[in-house]
Amino acid sequence: EVQLVESGGGLVQPGRSLKLSCLASGFTFSNYGMNWIRQAPGKGLEWVASISSSSSYIYYADTVKGRFTISRDNAKNTLYLQMTSLRSEDTALYYCARLTTVATDYWGQGVMVTVSS
Amino acid sequence: DIQMTQSPSVLSASVGDRVTLNCKASQNINKYLNWYQQKLGEAPKLLIYNTNNLQTGIPSRFSGSGSGTDYTLTISSLQPEDVATYFCFQHNSWPLTFGSGTKLEIK
Repeated sequence: EVQLVESGGGLVQPGRSLKLSCLASGFTFSNYGMNWIRQAPGKGLEWVASISSSSSYIYYADTVKGRFTISRDNAKNTLYLQMTSLRSEDTALYYCARLTTVATDYWGQGVMVTVSS
Repeated sequence: DIQMTQSPSVLSASVGDRVTLNCKASQNINKYLNWYQQKLGEAPKLLIYNTNNLQTGIPSRFSGSGSGTDYTLTISSLQPEDVATYFCFQHNSWPLTFGSGTKLEIK
């Protein structure tokens, strides 16, 4: 069974940093690209970043480019999102999700990040 | 960036109704269009990929169609458990973008 479990969220002040993790199980993590997708409270979904299986290709939304860094450790079956210079508009539930050639298919349950003073 | 516009934003229908949800892209997305269902308090679930391919385990009452810039998700006979918000999502080009969602309610 595919499982994605996010961690590392919490309350952080504007301008500070936070690092999210996503532990994957139930599939061969190193064979799949991965996404971070977020959802502000009561709002829709926003794609944040994607990384290919070997980290060769990385893409970011303009809203986070230069502030967020997606990375992965295939030996640890873990996806990361390093977030710096956080803003109030980054407040959201952050999902990690598996990326195949045709779809983002499996999603974690999400981890909440709240940026507030 | 490709903008995805969903309509209607809220749809109220009766059990057993055939319902149609629409998604329009600001440019041709070559059928690289997925549909997700999100129930309250849950993570999104993939329903349809690449316009008309039913994800494994999804009931056959769900179907998708479209081409170019216009896409549709159809539920052939609405069930109570279909109450959710439905999002379309294009993966034709970066940045990937979602529609704003259609909230489906039961009358």
